[in-house]
Amino acid sequence: RKEVEQDPGPFNVPEGATVAFNCTYSNSASQSFFWYRQDCRKEPKLLMSVYSSGNEDGRFTAQLNRASQYISLLIRDSKLSDSATYLCAFREGGFKTIFGAGTRLFVKA
Amino acid sequence: SAVISQKPSRDICQRGTSLTIQCQVDSQVTMMFWYRQQPGQSLTLIATANQGSEATYESGFVIDKFPISRPNLTFSTLTVSNMSPEDSSIYLCSVEDPTGTSSTDTQYFGPGTRLTVL
Repeated sequence: RKEVEQDPGPFNVPEGATVAFNCTYSNSASQSFFWYRQDCRKEPKLLMSVYSSGNEDGRFTAQLNRASQYISLLIRDSKLSDSATYLCAFREGGFKTIFGAGTRLFVKA
Repeated sequence: SAVISQKPSRDICQRGTSLTIQCQVDSQVTMMFWYRQQPGQSLTLIATANQGSEATYESGFVIDKFPISRPNLTFSTLTVSNMSPEDSSIYLCSVEDPTGTSSTDTQYFGPGTRLTVL
């Protein structure tokens, strides 16, 4: 099983839609979880960290399910500017961060 | 946050040659990371570079192929040696929150170097 797996998409959604991505991880010792956003031909940038209790930042909600070993990202009221690739990432406790290959999202008018 | 610059931003190289990529950070950081991202693939960690010690390489990456320098706390270089077309990729340097105030191990990335090997 891969260390981290994401549905590559692409997800094509209309503006205003709600879309959700999942990311599964294989190492149960993983301690920190993140969602990064990567625009085309740009570097990844942190979107949000994922806390055990779940967390929300505006239209974005992240959840962690340790029992099933996955994290999720929910985007409400999608905007055209949300079109990007979303990378999940986790850290096992050392200095190494493992990244998923990303889920591509296209929001269309 | 950290502001990271990389040079060159892109290059096209002949097979068998070497390219050195520079990474400059606007503040002092203990650890710098070098990643590779091939089209449609995840970020793959090449090595971790600490100032004053040899870099630590991940499985599948060796010092002879990817020598790294870390002369001070704001600068690092990655060399891609004896290049082949399989080395065509985006190479990114990364640092953790240099202020030390983040409790979430946030990583910041440079803009990347897009390498094409013919």
